[in-house]
Amino acid sequence: EVQLVESGGGLVKPGGSLRLSCAASGFTLSSYSMNWVRQAPGKGLEWVSSISSSSSYIYYADSVKGRFTISRDNAKNSLYLEMNSLRAEDTAVYYCARSDTALVTGADMHHWGQGTLVTVSS
Amino acid sequence: QSVLTQPPSASGTPGQRVTISCSGSSSNIGSNYVYWYQQLPGTAPKLLIYGNNQRPSGVPDRFSGSKSGTSASLAISGLRSEDEADYYCAAWDDSLSGVVFGGGTKLTVL
Repeated sequence: EVQLVESGGGLVKPGGSLRLSCAASGFTLSSYSMNWVRQAPGKGLEWVSSISSSSSYIYYADSVKGRFTISRDNAKNSLYLEMNSLRAEDTAVYYCARSDTALVTGADMHHWGQGTLVTVSS
Repeated sequence: QSVLTQPPSASGTPGQRVTISCSGSSSNIGSNYVYWYQQLPGTAPKLLIYGNNQRPSGVPDRFSGSKSGTSASLAISGLRSEDEADYYCAAWDDSLSGVVFGGGTKLTVL
């Protein structure tokens, strides 16, 4: 069974940093592209970033470009999101999601984790 | 303001057929596959439709997707109370080089 478990969320001050992790199990992480999607309280879904299976292709939403860094360690079955210069508007539940292809080919998110809450507040 | 446009709400009675629209442009829906996600209250999103009109295993055939030009639709037939949820359309956008979501449609089963 495919399982994705996010961790690393919490309360951080504006301008601070946080590193999210997503532990994958039940499949071979190195075969699939991965994604981060966030959802602010009471709001809709917002795509954050995608990374291909070998990390060759990486994409970011304009709202996080230059502040967030997506990465993966296939040997550790883990996906990461390094978040710097955090703002109040980054407050959201962050989900990791697995695509069904190795390359980033679309809005393809077949499996989702339960999410981790990031709160940016002083 | 979302790149893909969905109605904020929709409703129907049990057994009815409802449709949810999703409008985009040539750079997203017009040139890429459309995906639909269902988010039940308090839970993570779940893939409902991929590749415009394909259902993952386990998704009932009451759910169907279609696409025409720069618009797409999700149809739910034989509406059930457990279908009450938020529904999101999504597609890759070639101009933005990223995924765009619709603002979401809250479906109420009366």
